[in-house]
Amino acid sequence: QKEVEQDPGPLSVPEGAIVSLNCTYSNSAFQYFMWYRQYSRKGPELLMYTYSSGNKEDGRFTAQVDKSSKYISLFIRDSQPSDSATYLCAMSFLTGTASKLTFGTGTRLQVTL
Amino acid sequence: EAGVTQFPSHSVIEKGQTVTLRCDPISGHDNLYWYRRVMGKEIKFLLHFVKESKQDESGMPNNRFLAERTGGTYSTLKVQPAELEDSGVYFCASSQAGDSPLHFGNGTRLTVT
Repeated sequence: QKEVEQDPGPLSVPEGAIVSLNCTYSNSAFQYFMWYRQYSRKGPELLMYTYSSGNKEDGRFTAQVDKSSKYISLFIRDSQPSDSATYLCAMSFLTGTASKLTFGTGTRLQVTL
Repeated sequence: EAGVTQFPSHSVIEKGQTVTLRCDPISGHDNLYWYRRVMGKEIKFLLHFVKESKQDESGMPNNRFLAERTGGTYSTLKVQPAELEDSGVYFCASSQAGDSPLHFGNGTRLTVT
């Protein structure tokens, strides 16, 4: 069993839709949670990160962490064609090596006009 | 501020040959990481430098892989001799402090034929 599970998609939505992307994890020691966006032939770009359970909002993006269920989500409001990319969840242990990340496989998102 | 730079962007070599990948981190970032994504799999951690020292190399697959960071600036990752299963995208990332978010380069796509 993988430590982090993420549906690879592809997920296709119309412009303006609310998108929900999710990951589950098995190791309760993960404390630091991130979402990265990756465009084709580019490196992952950090969108959001959080240490705690609950919601964190940044513009059209909301990250949600539920440690009791080992479940994290990223919501995108008013989705745009420019949001079309692969979205990767990542997590790490909250130690001095917090940046040793464990990734999900990524969900490919297509926002259509 | 220049981002993380990787060279080459793409390399095609034959099985048994040697390849050296280079990464230039963001100026002032002491932490440098190598990650790899092989076909259909998630991005996986290879190793972590703090300045010129290897902090964690638990993800290195075998002794055909050698990473160096002389002088604590740029880093190289050498694969010798290359095998077919080494094909994938090799990402470099850097961060300012051990707990701060990672900034990724665009990766080197390695194809071993």
